[in-house]
Amino acid sequence: NAGVTQTPKFRILKIGQSMTLQCAQDMNHNYMYWYRQDPGMGLKLIYYSVGAGITDKGEVPNGYNVSRSTTEDFPLRLELAAPSQTSVYFCASSPLAGGGNEQFFGPGTRLTVL
Amino acid sequence: GESVGLHLPTLSVQEGDNSIINCAYSNSASDYFIWYKQESGKGPQFIIDIRSNMDKRQGQRVTVLLNKTVKHLSLQIAATQPGDSAVYFCAERDTGGFKTIFGAGTRLFVKA
Repeated sequence: NAGVTQTPKFRILKIGQSMTLQCAQDMNHNYMYWYRQDPGMGLKLIYYSVGAGITDKGEVPNGYNVSRSTTEDFPLRLELAAPSQTSVYFCASSPLAGGGNEQFFGPGTRLTVL
Repeated sequence: GESVGLHLPTLSVQEGDNSIINCAYSNSASDYFIWYKQESGKGPQFIIDIRSNMDKRQGQRVTVLLNKTVKHLSLQIAATQPGDSAVYFCAERDTGGFKTIFGAGTRLFVKA
């Protein structure tokens, strides 16, 4: 199992550009999450999904969009990049939200918006 | 690898000593409290969790203590090793089950 994979590892965007951060998991997990991590801070939840076709907002959803067309993939879309979106982005998955707490994280994408 | 924070609280311990990492939480209604470890350049990794109706839980070389009276959580690592050097996050999960709220983290340095 590859676990949770994320691409790209690094990206530099100009203000106003758009991009999609890719996330895939091969563990057949229903639940998937996107977090951002700013320096000196914990992780903030952007969006989450409880299964294919179902997504919902987290703590900091503004400026982002997600889709979940398959169990495996959960891409995060930035439409108009802003400097405030400079951060490290982590995707995670978990097999069961109700009874289990362990989330499996990908290696992260470091995004810089200039 | 990326920096996860330049101004995190820091704990420095000698190899072989026990480490205690503390965390204050805010939501009395949280069902679970969780500890994650994040090594440089990697995503967080689950260590251990504890349900709100418990006050202690032990794992391999780790113990989590929960004091609901003062909303305090701690992670104890026995016989700390160089591989334990990382940033440690406490987290709490809401009653709905989908949202996990992370704290800011503590950086642990292990001196050989």
